[in-house]
Amino acid sequence: EAGVVQSPRYKIIEKKQPVAFWCNPISGHNTLYWYRQNLGQGPELLIRYENEEAVDDSQLPKDRFSAERLKGVDSTLKIQPAELGDSAVYLCASSTTGTGLEAFFGQGTRLTVV
Amino acid sequence: AQSVTQLGSHVSVSEGALVLLRCNYSSSVPPYLFWYVQYPNQGLQLLLKYTTGATLVKGINGFEAEFKKSETSFHLTKPSAHMSDAAEYFCAVSRAGGTSYGKLTFGQGTILTVHP
Repeated sequence: EAGVVQSPRYKIIEKKQPVAFWCNPISGHNTLYWYRQNLGQGPELLIRYENEEAVDDSQLPKDRFSAERLKGVDSTLKIQPAELGDSAVYLCASSTTGTGLEAFFGQGTRLTVV
Repeated sequence: AQSVTQLGSHVSVSEGALVLLRCNYSSSVPPYLFWYVQYPNQGLQLLLKYTTGATLVKGINGFEAEFKKSETSFHLTKPSAHMSDAAEYFCAVSRAGGTSYGKLTFGQGTILTVHP
């Protein structure tokens, strides 16, 4: 069974440019998470989906970040415009329930904003 | 609100020595507790989890952790370190109810170095 797939693995952009990350969760997992991991820190939740509904987006900077999960499967996280402080690893995870049990993580997208 | 504190951002042990990584949590309702491992340029891999029942849980690669409610701790141990254990370890907490339902909150991480 394939794990959580994220693309791209690495992305370098200039500040003020837009960027998008894509995530394909494990088949059958109804819960999808986007986390941001700054260097030397633990992951911080940006948004959590139950199927296609965003049930927790309180930590998502809505002025520049947006996310969608059409049809309750794949998800896209977008930043527009990117700032230098957005440089981080963006992790996608999925699970079968909303309790965080057995959350499986993708390899992440390392974003560098220059 | 729930939170996790990992004591010691870096731990260094010799190969064959005991590994002890400390984690304390705060939660107003019974927590679900997790330890994840992250190798360089990789995602997080679940080592073990506590939900209910037996407070001593065993995970992969010889790791185990004990949930101590009175101490609000969930320390990770391994009797004998191996070079391949060198990685960053994250403690995390989640809850089945309350305002943080479904939210997996991580500690800051502990980098484990294993010396020959």
